[in-house]
Amino acid sequence: AQKITQTQPGMFVQEKEAVTLDCTYDTSDQSYGLFWYKQPSSGEMIFLIYQGSYDEQNATEGRYSLNFQKARKSANLVISASQLGDSAMYFCAMRGRPYSGAGSYQLTFGKGTKLSVIP
Amino acid sequence: DAGVIQSPRHEVTEMGQEVTLRCKPISGHDYLFWYRQTMMRGLELLIYFNNNVPIDDSGMPEDRFSAKMPNASFSTLKIQPSEPRDSAVYFCASSPIEGFPSSYNEQFFGPGTRLTVL
Repeated sequence: AQKITQTQPGMFVQEKEAVTLDCTYDTSDQSYGLFWYKQPSSGEMIFLIYQGSYDEQNATEGRYSLNFQKARKSANLVISASQLGDSAMYFCAMRGRPYSGAGSYQLTFGKGTKLSVIP
Repeated sequence: DAGVIQSPRHEVTEMGQEVTLRCKPISGHDYLFWYRQTMMRGLELLIYFNNNVPIDDSGMPEDRFSAKMPNASFSTLKIQPSEPRDSAVYFCASSPIEGFPSSYNEQFFGPGTRLTVL
């Protein structure tokens, strides 16, 4: 079974500052992928960034980077130079592949962190 | 591409009524997922399809819920009879086929259907 834990229900950050959103995971899968999604108040789910368990380098996408620490089972999202439009819910999610080799294409989501950017 | 399309965007119904939610995945995507989002339980996978075949429906809460995918471009999620505790946002998502371990499978979400059961 897979589990995603996001321990920060809410976070505040000053505009133009960097912020880190925490995500820890638990899995026994052979390989897995970690995702971050953004959900603004309008409700849609927007894909931000992906990290594969075998990727040696941390993923980056523009102002988003993923601080992946495999031994600690953490995959924190770092947003640099926060903007007012970054205010939203952020979800960490995981997709794994068990040792049996069968693929499992579902995502397991954390509870989310509500980020508020202060002008 | 228009992205994943869901209808209706909002649905208000009375307890006991049948509710049908609709989804059109992105053309060419082999996987379709139905999720439910509530404040209490967060985002939960209800069921997913591969090439129109249901693969895992273990997340379907009870027999009142059913999902079908008659063809590659259309899926429905039906609740009959509906109950107030079914009130939630229901998301449909689709993704293309891909392989492990180095590739990934971004799921493209629809805008969701906000269901209110009175």
